[in-house]
Amino acid sequence: EVQLVETGGGLIQPGGSLRLSCAVSGFTVSSNFMTWVRQAPGKGLEWVSVVYSNGNTYYADSVKGRFTVSRDNSKNTLYLQMDSLRAEDTALYYCARGGAIFPPLDYWGQGALVTVSS
Amino acid sequence: QSALTQPPSASGSPGQSVTISCTGTSSDIGGYNYVSWYQQHPGSGPKLIIYEVTKRPSGVPDRFSGSKSGNTASLTVSGLQAEDEADYYCSSYGGSNNLVFGGGTKLTVL
Repeated sequence: EVQLVETGGGLIQPGGSLRLSCAVSGFTVSSNFMTWVRQAPGKGLEWVSVVYSNGNTYYADSVKGRFTVSRDNSKNTLYLQMDSLRAEDTALYYCARGGAIFPPLDYWGQGALVTVSS
Repeated sequence: QSALTQPPSASGSPGQSVTISCTGTSSDIGGYNYVSWYQQHPGSGPKLIIYEVTKRPSGVPDRFSGSKSGNTASLTVSGLQAEDEADYYCSSYGGSNNLVFGGGTKLTVL
């Protein structure tokens, strides 16, 4: 059974850092395209980043230079390092299998809530 | 990259059909056949229901269908059922390894 479980969310002050984890079972993270998507409270979905199986990463302009995606193949886990956090980064962060082009985002986690507030 | 435009709400009675539109530009929807649709029930993560404009993943009822004309994609839900009440989001490849989503449509089954 495929499962994606995000952890690491919480309350953080503006300017702070947080690292989200996405632990995966049922498929190999490093062999797949993996995407982070966020959803601000009561708002729609927003693409954040993608990492391809070859390790190439791409980011939305709104997080470029502040967020970094990485993988730990031994733990089959995807990470999202978030630095210089802003109030507008407050959202539920989902990891999903799939890419920006193809394949589509066919498996999603339940999300991790990040709240940026003083 | 601007978000795709969806109507904020749509509704229909059980058994009826409803169509949700998703309008973009020639740089996203109009330029690629990589439009997907996602269904999201309250408190849950999104679920893929349509990909590559018209394709359905295994397990998704054929009541859900997708299409595209020019810069606008559409999702049609036929034979509406109570469990179809949810938020629906479109997405499209936006070029330069970017993915763009629509603002979402809340579907109400009357």
